[in-house]
Amino acid sequence: NAGVMQNPRHLVRRRGQEARLRCSPMKGHSHVYWYRQLPEEGLKFMVYLQKENIIDESGMPKERFSAEFPKEGPSILRIQQVVRGDSAAYFCASSPLAGETGELFFGEGSRLTVL
Amino acid sequence: TQLLEQSPQFLSIQEGENLTVYCNSSSVFSSLQWYRQEPGEGPVLLVTVVTGGEVKKLKRLTFQFGDARKDSSLHITAAQPGDTGLYLCAGRNTGKLIFGQGTTLQVKP
Repeated sequence: NAGVMQNPRHLVRRRGQEARLRCSPMKGHSHVYWYRQLPEEGLKFMVYLQKENIIDESGMPKERFSAEFPKEGPSILRIQQVVRGDSAAYFCASSPLAGETGELFFGEGSRLTVL
Repeated sequence: TQLLEQSPQFLSIQEGENLTVYCNSSSVFSSLQWYRQEPGEGPVLLVTVVTGGEVKKLKRLTFQFGDARKDSSLHITAAQPGDTGLYLCAGRNTGKLIFGQGTTLQVKP
């Protein structure tokens, strides 16, 4: 059973370009979470999605950032008009349950560098 | 806003020493989880504690959930170089998982 797959692992963009990060959850998981991490820091919650629905986007900037989890295909985190401050590791996690004790299974992250 | 404060943020010790990492909040959580993250990888779950006062052991690691379910601790006995990594506590409420800022542990041989 494959784990959470994220791609690309590394992405370099120039200021003003768009970045698209993809996440395929583990088989059977319908809950996806996106987090952002700066070096040697914890993970900052961005958005929580279920299939075709955004459940909680309270951690995601209202401008330039968007996320989706379509019925078919991976979840996408999209960052438009990137700025240097967007440089970070972006982690996706999935879980099969919405319960309070469910484990999150993380991908290996996508590292975005904005030049 | 529920915040989780971890201390210390950085810890460098010699192999064989003991250590404790703390995770504190002013809010009550229905459960707390501890994750470990190695460089270049995603976090991996170590344990989930649910009941106030609960103690769980995982080999040389002992996890405790405070009676009021606002704090937790991770104690490592006789640390090994393989324990090196970033340790993160996380609390879940209303669906999403909120992480502390992490404790970077370095165990020197």
